[in-house]
Amino acid sequence: NAGVTQTPKFQVLKTGQSMTLQCAQDMNHNSMYWYRQDPGMGLRLIYYSASEGTTDKGEVPNGYNVSRLNKREFSLRLESAAPSQTSVYFCASSGPGTSGIGNNEQFFGPGTRLTVL
Amino acid sequence: SQKIEQNSEALNIQEGKTATLTCNYTNYSPAYLQWYRQDPGRGPVFLLLIRENEKEKRKERLKVTFDTTLKQSLFHITASQPADSATYLCALRGRSSASKIIFGSGTRLSIRP
Repeated sequence: NAGVTQTPKFQVLKTGQSMTLQCAQDMNHNSMYWYRQDPGMGLRLIYYSASEGTTDKGEVPNGYNVSRLNKREFSLRLESAAPSQTSVYFCASSGPGTSGIGNNEQFFGPGTRLTVL
Repeated sequence: SQKIEQNSEALNIQEGKTATLTCNYTNYSPAYLQWYRQDPGRGPVFLLLIRENEKEKRKERLKVTFDTTLKQSLFHITASQPADSATYLCALRGRSSASKIIFGSGTRLSIRP
C-alpha cells in the first residue's frame, strides 16, 4: 500500500497563475483533508471532505477550491496564486468515524512545497 | 478563541534521559487528543490518542497524560535516543460531530548522544 500520495513534490508559480495539487489514498478512507503548514503556525485546515461527494471549509479556505473526485482522490486548486499562499501543503486521510470528520488517526502524505513569486 | 500552545523553543536533552513535552489548550473541550511526530521534509505520523476520560496512555517508550482540569497534556519519551529527534505535534478534536481537529505548532526535540 502506498498510503497517501501527493503530486507534485515541489512547485514554483508566479503570482496569478493557477495550479492543482493532487492527492490520492489507497486505504479506503472516507475522510480526506488539505492542510497548509507555515513556520510557527502549525497545520491549518484548508478544506476537508467527510465522505465522497461532500466538501467543507476549514480554517483558511480563501483562495482555494477542492474537488472530491471519488473516494480515493481529493484535489486542491489555486485559481490565482498569491505570495501569501507560499507554504507546504499536506493532504491527509482518516478512516470511518461515527460522525463528522471521524475520530481516528490521520495519515499524511509527503507534502507539496509551493513557492509563489 | 480556541488555542493550542506548545513550547516553540527546541528541547535539547541527553540520550537516555526522559523527554517531556507539553501541550496546553484554552477555550476548548476536547473529546480526544493526539500526538504526532514529524521529521524534516515529511508529513506527520500518528503516535498516540488519548480520550477525555483517560488519564494516561502508554505505547512502548511513550507515555501521554491528559488533565482536563489543567487543560494540559504531557508527552514523555523514556530512555530517549538520538533517533527520537523530531518535531512533535499535539492535536485536539472537540466533542461536537462538526468539530474539526486543531493542531499545535509543534515542539522540536533534539537528543544528543
